Amino acid sequence: DGGITQSPKYLFRKEGQNVTLSCEQNLNHDAMYWYRQDPGQGLRLIYYSQIVNDFQKGDIAEGYSVSREKKESFPLTVTSAQKNPTAFYLCASRTGGTSTDTQYFGPGTRLTVL
Amino acid sequence: AQSVAQPEDQVNVAEGNPLTVKCTYSVSGNPYLFWYVQYPNRGLQFLLKYITGDNLVKGSYGFEAEFNKSQTSFHLKKPSALVSDSALYFCAVRDTPSGGYNKLIFGAGTRLAVHP
Repeated sequence: DGGITQSPKYLFRKEGQNVTLSCEQNLNHDAMYWYRQDPGQGLRLIYYSQIVNDFQKGDIAEGYSVSREKKESFPLTVTSAQKNPTAFYLCASRTGGTSTDTQYFGPGTRLTVL
Repeated sequence: AQSVAQPEDQVNVAEGNPLTVKCTYSVSGNPYLFWYVQYPNRGLQFLLKYITGDNLVKGSYGFEAEFNKSQTSFHLKKPSALVSDSALYFCAVRDTPSGGYNKLIFGAGTRLAVHP
């Protein structure tokens, strides 16, 4: 899992509640990503950021929000608008420059809606 | 649009036997292909990638992958499987860069079970 940390490891949310998942990296990577993993569906991209103060919606951004105020941090907020948030959430980062650089992943946060 | 397919949900192999996990892709332009492994309740670990050059790519933990342009495949292989290789394996392809951004498209994953 390298120099990428995610917290908490497990998170429980009540209906109608917003929660924020933390992702921090000390790899000096420019680009950061959030994925959602559901059984049998692989990874789906929620948001990604190429540089500080810039981010783009991925394939399933509805009900999620992000910020990128610092290079090392890319928190993800799961809002009450996300109707089915129970999933495993993975953060990744990649160096900038050449587009062929590898993405490295954090250990993940498992979110469960009660 | 770029896509990647892993045709097998699960692969079962006896310990000591060779293993193959299949991946096929569809891209416009040159393919950039990756393999990752995921152990239970963990993040993905990078195994290897193909960008250009030799069709046989060697990676971590004794794994290798063979790029075959004519068959649009990038199968993951290992000569002798270990029980500890049991995990979920993902193939990924780089999406067409847009506006300076690039991202990966992942297959659905293949569960590898190595039996003693």
